[in-house]
Amino acid sequence: LAKITQPISMDSYEGQEVNITCSHNNIATNDYITWYQQFPSQGPRFIIQGYKTKVTNEVASLFIPADRKSSTLSLPRVSLSDTAVYYCLVGDLGGGADGLTFGKGTHLIIQP
Amino acid sequence: EAGVAQSPRYKIIEKRQSVAFWCNPISGHATLYWYQQILGQGPKLLIQFQNNGVVDDSQLPKDRFSAERLKGVDSTLKIQPAKLEDSAVYLCASSSSNQPQHFGDGTRLSIL
Repeated sequence: LAKITQPISMDSYEGQEVNITCSHNNIATNDYITWYQQFPSQGPRFIIQGYKTKVTNEVASLFIPADRKSSTLSLPRVSLSDTAVYYCLVGDLGGGADGLTFGKGTHLIIQP
Repeated sequence: EAGVAQSPRYKIIEKRQSVAFWCNPISGHATLYWYQQILGQGPKLLIQFQNNGVVDDSQLPKDRFSAERLKGVDSTLKIQPAKLEDSAVYLCASSSSNQPQHFGDGTRLSIL
């Protein structure tokens, strides 16, 4: 199973860009990197997924360096409603031997 | 499209009793996952199904946990007998091939 490390918590202010980094040194060849957002009493909600380089959608960007041993979720212009726990998930979506592993989550707090 | 449905939302039982959780995935999603999320931690994969076959159950405590996905659609997860350390939120997720997982809101299990 992948060993995943992410910061326990981060603080920022409304309107700022927030970058959350996830470390996954033993990522396997077939593994993808996916980020989820979770609010209390809800299931994780998909944000973005990538394999290498950069992926961008309407809510976030995901940066993955060439060695794929880390990834950075970038949230542009955060608002108070972005206060949540953010999880990095690494694994083979097809169910390979390496399995699927979530990080312990980063609690992001946005202040006015 | 309708999301992943789970029931019940909450369950309280005494230790050594049995309990079952039900999940209805998004229509057409061949892959179904059960996760255990202990308070303050990331979800831990218990079992992954592809249609009605098991892809990964390496982290399922098979002496007390069982899961089935008859006909490749709905799934049930059972715990028998429950222990105090099984108190957690049990999340179900589904996906189509190599696409991101979509999660239900989970069943919160409390063991007395």
